[in-house]
Amino acid sequence: GQSLEQPSEVTAVEGAIVQINCTYQTSGFYGLSWYQQHDGGAPTFLSYNALDGLEETGRFSSFLSRSDSYGYLLLQELQMKDSASYFCAVRASTDSWGKFQFGAGTQVVVTP
Amino acid sequence: DAGVIQSPRHEVTEMGQEVTLRCKPISGHDYLFWYRQTMMRGLELLIYFNNNVPIDDSGMPEDRFSAKMPNASFSTLKIQPSEPRDSAVYFCASTPDRASGNTIYFGEGSWLTVV
Repeated sequence: GQSLEQPSEVTAVEGAIVQINCTYQTSGFYGLSWYQQHDGGAPTFLSYNALDGLEETGRFSSFLSRSDSYGYLLLQELQMKDSASYFCAVRASTDSWGKFQFGAGTQVVVTP
Repeated sequence: DAGVIQSPRHEVTEMGQEVTLRCKPISGHDYLFWYRQTMMRGLELLIYFNNNVPIDDSGMPEDRFSAKMPNASFSTLKIQPSEPRDSAVYFCASTPDRASGNTIYFGEGSWLTVV
């Protein structure tokens, strides 16, 4: 089986930096993905890490440590539009290829 | 390019009625997924298809749920009979192939309320 843990909510002010942690337990591991979902909207892909290290995409960065079964999403220069839920997702190598499991999500609240 | 298209966007139905949700994946995508999202259980994979063939339906909650993909551009998720606990947002999603399969493209969802 698989399990993912991420904080339920994080609050920060505009311009700040927020780090959303995700720890996982899987039987085998392909990689860790991150998705953003605004209220009432669809999840949208942000990033994917298969190897250890940091991946940077604009204001967002994602990190993975396979040995620690841990990753994080870093949101920099927070903007009001970044208020959303953020999900980590994994796929276990022992599961069928398309079987992604999503974490419960972290609600990020950005205040003025 | 058009994204994943789902219909209906919102549906309110009475317990016991049949519900059919529809999905058109992004053209050229080989994989199609059906997810369900609730506050209690989060985002759950129900079933996914590869080249119109169901690959893994282990997430389908029970026999009341069925999904089909008669061709590459259309899929349905049917609930019969519906129950109040089926109230959720149902997302259809697609991805091109294994090489780029770490990016899943979601539709806007079908909001189902069973009263």
